[in-house]
Formats: sequence, C-alpha cells, structure tokens
Amino acid sequence: AQSVTQLGSHVSVSEGALVLLRCNYSSSVPPYLFWYVQYPNQGLQLLLKYTSAATLVKGINGFEAEFKKSETSFHLTKPSAHMRDAAEYFCAVSDLRGQGGKLIFGQGTELSVKP
Amino acid sequence: NAGVTQTPKFQVLKTGQSMTLQCAQDMNHEYMSWYRQDPGMGLRLIHYSVGAGITDQGEVPNGYNVSRSTTEDFPLRLLSAAPSQTSVYFCASSVRGSTDTQYFGPGTRLTVL
Repeated sequence: AQSVTQLGSHVSVSEGALVLLRCNYSSSVPPYLFWYVQYPNQGLQLLLKYTSAATLVKGINGFEAEFKKSETSFHLTKPSAHMRDAAEYFCAVSDLRGQGGKLIFGQGTELSVKP
Repeated sequence: NAGVTQTPKFQVLKTGQSMTLQCAQDMNHEYMSWYRQDPGMGLRLIHYSVGAGITDQGEVPNGYNVSRSTTEDFPLRLLSAAPSQTSVYFCASSVRGSTDTQYFGPGTRLTVL
C-alpha cells in the first residue's frame, strides 16, 4: 500500500534562506506525487505534481521538487524563503487501487519564516 | 466559477446529534472526496465518489455517510456525533480521480461537545 512520511513537523528558516521540506514515499507501482500548501484558515492548493515525466518538477511561487526513485523521495525546495511562504505543506501520493484511486497525505510540515 | 463551496464554515454539535455538511462544485468534476484534518495527522480520507451514484469508503469512514445524487453535490452526514469527530472537514474535487489536481473547499470546523 502507498504511504507518505514527512520528516519534521516544524521547520523554521530565515527570510532569504534555502527551504527544504522532506518527503519519502512508499509505493509498489510508479507513483503520482503531489505537494500541497495550506495557508492559515484556508483549504489546500496544489504547489506541484509529479506524474512520471521529468524528475525535476517546477511549481508555483518558486518551489520545485525532485523525484528520486532510488531514495523514494520527493523533497520540496525553494532557494530563497519569503515571509509569505509561511504555511503548512503536505506531501501526498496517489493510491491507484479502486475506481479513481485515493490520495494519501503525509502528516504535514509547518514552515515558519523569520525576518 | 465559485469552485468548491462548503457550508457551514463553523458548527457546534452536542454528542448524539446528527447533521449534514454540504459540499458543491461547479467545475463538472467527476471525482469528489471528503477529508478530515486533525493536528499531526495530516488529512485522512473519509469517503469518495467517482461519479453520481458511486461512492466508496476511505481510510476513516465509520460514523459518516455519503451519497452522490448529482455531479455537483456531495454531502457528508454525521449520523450520531461524537467528540472524536471534532475536526476540520474538507471537501475536494478533481476531473477524474486521485491522479488529478484536487481542488479544495475552504473547510468546515466542527466541534462536538
């Protein structure tokens, strides 16, 4: 069965510093992988997704993620953090069993950005 | 387009009461799903639907019922509310299934006393 583990429930960086949010997945088939962001008191919105095309995926707001099959990882990065990046980030994998499949989420990582 | 809408935004129930959380989308999406979000646990799938008349259970279906009579609407029913159902509930939709981008509603914050 597919599963997702996000390492670190809280990450704090200074404005302008590198953002690295870690995600490891477990999947018996080539996975579809996603990163979603949740700003305070809002629903989730898609940052980027991997669907077996290019292994380096670029998303919105300067974020990108690299799919590494050998490491079963899909870490999210941004070269320079901005205050507006403070939010909770969720990694997810699509479980393709059943009609339409199911989206399995990790526990979430809360990103804080210090001035 | 309004996207995915949810009502109410907030609700307080007493143990044993029943209620329905409403979800509607105007994007003609076939796939709709309900999640609950609890601190430290991410989002967990309650029920999902791949089209009108077709529903299936997710990871945590107990205590919840769903039906899908139209493409647009996917209500979630709490049969007899329990304090363990205190959570934030999100509805989402996508074109075909879990491999597509999910569009989330703004959520319903439910407290069960």
